Amino acid sequence: DAGVIQSPRHEVTEMGQEVTLRCKPISGHNSLFWYRQTMMRGLELLIYFNNNVPIDDSGMPEDRFSAKMPNASFSTLKIQPSEPRDSAVYFCASSIGASSYEQYFGPGTRLTVT
Amino acid sequence: GQQVMQIPQYQHVQEGEDFTTYCNSSTTLSNIQWYKQRPGGHPVFLIQLVKSGEVKKQKRLTFQFGEAKKNSSLHITATQTTDVGTYFCAGIMEYGNKLVFGAGTILRVKS
Repeated sequence: DAGVIQSPRHEVTEMGQEVTLRCKPISGHNSLFWYRQTMMRGLELLIYFNNNVPIDDSGMPEDRFSAKMPNASFSTLKIQPSEPRDSAVYFCASSIGASSYEQYFGPGTRLTVT
Repeated sequence: GQQVMQIPQYQHVQEGEDFTTYCNSSTTLSNIQWYKQRPGGHPVFLIQLVKSGEVKKQKRLTFQFGEAKKNSSLHITATQTTDVGTYFCAGIMEYGNKLVFGAGTILRVKS
């Protein structure tokens, strides 16, 4: 099994640019989660989807962040415009059910905004 | 907001010593999960506890869920260098719908 796949693994961009992070969950999993990890704030849940529908987006920092899940095998997290404080590692995770099931994390995307 | 507190923040032990990290919530949890993240890696699921007072073991690791379902602990017996990493607890509040992660405990092991 390929596990959760994320791309790109590293992204360096300038402030003001649009950034798109991509995630392919494990086949058969119907829940998908986007997390952000920083030293200061730890691991934060940004948004999660169940059966491609956003269930809880209360963790999305502000309107500059948006996430979509057009089908069961693909999700994107977009930041527009990006700011230096968005620099972090962004993880995507999937599970066979809702939050009460174990989550499988992808390798993460390390984003640096200069 | 809903929080899961985890202590200590950091622990440095000699190989062979024991290690324990503690997790506390101000509200009752419906379940609690534990994850391990190696340096430069991603969180990996270790275990889930659901029942009050539950104790589970995985080789040298012992996980406990408190009787009131508000606290949990992970104990590692005789640490090895392969145990290094950050250990996170994550809980779902009793009437909540999402996993809330603790800040994690960073474990370093001196050989």
